[in-house]
Amino acid sequence: DIQMTQSPSLLSASVGDRVTLNCKASQNIYKNLAWYQQKLGEAPKLLIYNANSLQTGIPSRFSGSGSGTDFTLTISSLQPEDVATYFCQQYYSGLTFGSGTKLEIK
Amino acid sequence: QVQLQQSGTELVKPASSVKISCKASGYTFTINYMHWIRQQPGNGLEWIGWIYPGNGNTKYNQKFDGKATLTADKSSSTAYMQLSSLTSEDSAVYFCARGYNYWYFDFWGPGTMVTVSS
Repeated sequence: DIQMTQSPSLLSASVGDRVTLNCKASQNIYKNLAWYQQKLGEAPKLLIYNANSLQTGIPSRFSGSGSGTDFTLTISSLQPEDVATYFCQQYYSGLTFGSGTKLEIK
Repeated sequence: QVQLQQSGTELVKPASSVKISCKASGYTFTINYMHWIRQQPGNGLEWIGWIYPGNGNTKYNQKFDGKATLTADKSSSTAYMQLSSLTSEDSAVYFCARGYNYWYFDFWGPGTMVTVSS
């Protein structure tokens, strides 16, 4: 099974900050990666697919990059409504999620 | 607009079974994969399996083979997941999610909480 490791597990940042979340795959997954945002008590929401494609309706401050084993989700200017847990998910072989990064406002 | 409406909270006894539903609307039910995902309290997400409603084909995460059974009713655009031989480890929120193929999940249901307790 492909393991997905996210870092950090907890991130605290200020409104307006540029924020970077990391996701590492245990083997090459090319660009077969999605990112989700899950707010407290809600279902996850798809943000990014194919590592860097923005899902329809998602604000442009969200972007994804990377390929192979190392991936990044960037929020260019953190907003209060971005407080959530963010998960990466690979779909190269099977379907597995990372353990998440909880993002809070400092 | 795409909507997935899930059945309500379940409180069930150990060793029993439960069947939860996911009613789809706003798209053609038969030509999209429907996935099920588990989230245990305070934990991350685990993919359980998918069903292709058009022909009933299914694929399961090996971990859930024998635990979960996925079905779909085309006439009502509803997907179902039955969980059997329940233990406290099965207490979780279960999401249905429309699949973009069998790759990632573009729309999610609100989740169904299942609590297994005597």
